[in-house]
Amino acid sequence: GESVGLHLPTLSVQEGDNSIINCAYSNSASDYFIWYKQESGKGPQFIIDIRSNMDKRQGQRVTVLLNKTVKHLSLQIAATQPGDSAVYFCAENTGAQKLVFGQGTRLTINP
Amino acid sequence: DTAVSQTPKYLVTQMGNDKSIKCEQNLGHDTMYWYKQDSKKFLKIMFSYNNKELIINETVPNRFSPKSPDKAHLNLHINSLELGDSAVYFCASSQSGGKSNQPQHFGDGTRLSIL
Repeated sequence: GESVGLHLPTLSVQEGDNSIINCAYSNSASDYFIWYKQESGKGPQFIIDIRSNMDKRQGQRVTVLLNKTVKHLSLQIAATQPGDSAVYFCAENTGAQKLVFGQGTRLTINP
Repeated sequence: DTAVSQTPKYLVTQMGNDKSIKCEQNLGHDTMYWYKQDSKKFLKIMFSYNNKELIINETVPNRFSPKSPDKAHLNLHINSLELGDSAVYFCASSQSGGKSNQPQHFGDGTRLSIL
């Protein structure tokens, strides 16, 4: 079936450290993946995306890695800041713009 | 300027009532969506519309009826509300890109509480 899961439901890191959030997906036909950030009381906010013909994509302080062999996706956040505290979701496009979301990881940045 | 806006932000009502949630996007996108997020933060698609045409219907009870008067609006009407309908409902939009996927942009949600 279609499912996207996260290895860790919670993650705490010290401010300034790097963080890595992992995600496993099950649909090998998925061709597009997105990471979203959701702050309390707000909707998911787009962070970065990657297509299946790539294995790495970098943005501002964020990097997404895609390993299609093991169906694994990760989000790296460099030099974390207090404003990075949020719930992070990975999502896979399983076709026709249908996004399947993972469970979510709550990232807490400690001062 | 809010890109995807939903109203109301909070909705508290009695079981059995009928209610509507409205969504508007000013991004010029041609595809809109409704998602439901439960108390465990699990986010699941309910419907999608492309240019006012229903594309995705994820076996949602027929008490839920989306309506798209134009491609900038997608409203959600819910009949005979049940306790299990309590959740946060998110509207989203994206531009269909043919073979090229585009990210979906979300509103800030409507928190529906059924008493």
